[in-house]
Amino acid sequence: QKEVEQDPGPLSVPEGAIVSLNCTYSNSAFQYFMWYRQYSRKGPELLMYTYSSGNKEDGRFTAQVDKSSKYISLFIRDSQPSDSATYLCAFMGGFKTIFGAGTRLFVKA
Amino acid sequence: DTGVSQDPRHKITKRGQNVTFRCDPISEHNRLYWYRQTLGQGPEFLTYFQNEAQLEKSRLLSDRFSAERPKGSFSTLEIQRTEQGDSAMYLCASSRGSNTEAFFGQGTRLTVV
Repeated sequence: QKEVEQDPGPLSVPEGAIVSLNCTYSNSAFQYFMWYRQYSRKGPELLMYTYSSGNKEDGRFTAQVDKSSKYISLFIRDSQPSDSATYLCAFMGGFKTIFGAGTRLFVKA
Repeated sequence: DTGVSQDPRHKITKRGQNVTFRCDPISEHNRLYWYRQTLGQGPEFLTYFQNEAQLEKSRLLSDRFSAERPKGSFSTLEIQRTEQGDSAMYLCASSRGSNTEAFFGQGTRLTVV
């Protein structure tokens, strides 16, 4: 079993839709949970960082963590074409960050 | 710009040549990381430094790879005798300390022909 599972997509939605991106993980030592956004040929950009179960909101983005189920989600409200990118879930339980493979999102105008 | 800076952004080299990449982290960050990313995959950890000390290396980092951070500031990643399988995006990241979020540079895209 992989430490992190993330559906690679692609996921295509119309502008204005609510997007749900998900990851599961198997390592109970993971204590910190992150979402990065990566545009083509660019480095990952940190979107959300949290360490507790529950929801964390930042503008149109909401990160949700369920430690008991080892499941994290990122919700994007009122999606925009500029949100088209690859979204990487990431986990930290020590000195390094472990990434999912990324989900490619396309938001159509 | 106070973010993580990487140089060069792109490098094309012939198989068997040596290449060196540079990373300048965010100035107050004492941790520096190198990752490698191939198409359709997330970044994979290679190595990390706390100040000038290299504290961990992945099994992905063969003996052809060497990284340094001589004064605890910028870092270099050298690949000797490059192979086609080394073609990837090499990403550098830095963080303030343990269990804090890492910020990435724009990466160096290596193509070995």
